[in-house]
Amino acid sequence: QLQLQESGPGLVKASETLSLTCTVSGGSISSTSYYWGWIRQPPGEGLQWIGSMYYTGSTYYNPSLKSRVTISVDTSKNQFSLKLSSVTAADTAVYYCVRHRYFDWLLNYWGQGTLVTVSS
Amino acid sequence: EIVLTQSPGTLSLSPGERATLSCRASQSVSSSYLAWYQQKPGQAPRLLIYGASSRATGIPDRFSGSGSGTDFTLTISRLEPEDFAVYYCQQYGNSPWTFGQGTKVEIK
Repeated sequence: QLQLQESGPGLVKASETLSLTCTVSGGSISSTSYYWGWIRQPPGEGLQWIGSMYYTGSTYYNPSLKSRVTISVDTSKNQFSLKLSSVTAADTAVYYCVRHRYFDWLLNYWGQGTLVTVSS
Repeated sequence: EIVLTQSPGTLSLSPGERATLSCRASQSVSSSYLAWYQQKPGQAPRLLIYGASSRATGIPDRFSGSGSGTDFTLTISRLEPEDFAVYYCQQYGNSPWTFGQGTKVEIK
């Protein structure tokens, strides 16, 4: 059974860098069949795709966040990570790690999500 | 970027009734790459429908999707108590992948 588990600080100070890690269990992040990514949801609001990556290290970012986002992979640990720089209160959200199908980008698996609050 | 507009914002219905949710795209969605998700409080979204009309694994047949181009519909034929939730459409045909703002289906 595939599991995606987000981990990282739940509180980040404004202007600093948010860092989260997603640990994949029950499946290999090096599978050629999937991309892996991040989606966020501010409290009480809708969903926003942040970016995704392939196990080779290729990355794809939402243009609205691209200047602040870095997604990287550690295949030896079966993990991938998100870094979002220069955070503000608007970055307060539940952050989900997700899996996309390779051939059509369908989001077919979600982690449980982790709330990150940006404090001033 | 494709903007998805869902209507209505809230749907107040009773168990056993039929729910019809709409998702309209600002431009045509490639290959009908349109999905629907259900989200309950405190939970991650769950995939219901993909490719506009294909049910995901384990999804009851009371859920159905239809549409193409810019207009898509999610229908729940007879609402069960566990169906009261927020529903999001999402397009995955053109990057950046985008979501609608959601439709809340609440108990009347």
